Amino acid sequence: NAGVTQTPKFRILKIGQSMTLQCTQDMNHNYMYWYRQDPGMGLKLIYYSVGAGITDKGEVPNGYNVSRSTTEDFPLRLELAAPSQTSVYFCASSYERGVVGDFGPGTRLTVL
Amino acid sequence: DQQVKQNSPSLSVQEGRISILNCDYTNSMFDYFLWYKKYPAEGPTFLISISSIKDKNEDGRFTVFLNKSAKHLSLHIVPSQPGDSAVYFCAAKGTYKYIFGTGTRLKVLA
Repeated sequence: NAGVTQTPKFRILKIGQSMTLQCTQDMNHNYMYWYRQDPGMGLKLIYYSVGAGITDKGEVPNGYNVSRSTTEDFPLRLELAAPSQTSVYFCASSYERGVVGDFGPGTRLTVL
Repeated sequence: DQQVKQNSPSLSVQEGRISILNCDYTNSMFDYFLWYKKYPAEGPTFLISISSIKDKNEDGRFTVFLNKSAKHLSLHIVPSQPGDSAVYFCAAKGTYKYIFGTGTRLKVLA
């Protein structure tokens, strides 16, 4: 098992650009999550999904969109990048509701 | 409002000694807690958990203690090893998510 994989590892965006952070898991987990971690802060939940076709907002969803067309993939879309979105983004998945078991390696995003 | 707090941003311990990492929470409805370890440039990895029906859970060198009346949990690492140097996050379980503390950076000195 590759577990949870994320691409890219690093990215620099200009203000107003858009991009998609990719997340894939091969453990057949129903639950998937996107977190962001700002310096000196804990992980904040952006969006989560309880299964293919079902997504919901977390604590900090503004400026992001997600989709879940398959069990394996849970991409995170930034439409108009802002400096406040400079952060490290972690995708995670779990087999059980609320139990976050496996995190990806993270994507470090800088918006200039 | 930070519902899960780790008030010590960093901790240094000599190799072989005990490391104690602390975590406080505000919501008495939380009923499940986890500790994660994070190395630089990697995602967090699950370390140990505890249900609110217990006050202690042990896994090898790692023990988590829960004091519900004080809304406090702690992670003990005995003996500490240089490979334990990492950032440790505690998390409390909400409905669909975990609420994370800000982390404590542990440095184990050889």
